[in-house]
Amino acid sequence: EAGVTQFPSHSVIEKGQTVTLRCDPISGHDNLYWYRRVMGKEIKFLLHFVKESKQDESGMPNNRFLAERTGGTYSTLKVQPAELEDSGVYFCASSRPGTGAYNEQFFGPGTRLTVL
Amino acid sequence: LAKTTQPISMDSYEGQEVNITCSHNNIATNDYITWYQQFPSQGPRFIIQGYKTKVTNEVASLFIPADRKSSTLSLPRVSLSDTAVYYCLVGSNQAGTALIFGKGTTLSVSS
Repeated sequence: EAGVTQFPSHSVIEKGQTVTLRCDPISGHDNLYWYRRVMGKEIKFLLHFVKESKQDESGMPNNRFLAERTGGTYSTLKVQPAELEDSGVYFCASSRPGTGAYNEQFFGPGTRLTVL
Repeated sequence: LAKTTQPISMDSYEGQEVNITCSHNNIATNDYITWYQQFPSQGPRFIIQGYKTKVTNEVASLFIPADRKSSTLSLPRVSLSDTAVYYCLVGSNQAGTALIFGKGTTLSVSS
């Protein structure tokens, strides 16, 4: 099966600009997650979708971040306006539907965002 | 939430067995122990998960003592391609649970 894909692989923008990251999960995976690693820090959870519904967005840093998953397929993460501290690698992951699953999450390669 | 502690880095030579130990003193009754591997420029990849005693798959073994306050990931006969960061995670194994990553252990394998 095809893995989780993310686009773009790299993005360099100036402070104040808008960037939209895209994630295509593995087909059939209802659960979709966004994580990020900012410079020198651990990978941190941002939010979790089940199909098109946000189940947990406790990790979203502020209202400059907006995640959507229209139709329960691919997801986008928009940063508007971007700030310097948003620089880092943004990972998307997906996992199979619940009931008996053991929470193995399949990660994409990440999008490296640089805000100048 | 259970916090994990593992070595920052380890060095090994090809063909050796590598054991990475993780401490998780505050592990909860329902928590599982999961290890992920991450290569440069890639996302983390699930390696193995266990609750108690020993689990083995085609990649690694996971040893968990009875008190479950620590665990050891064992990689048999490592090769250069096993050079990566290894993360020990503790938490629910239910689908939809957010993963909590620590700093991980950077394993460097040389010839």
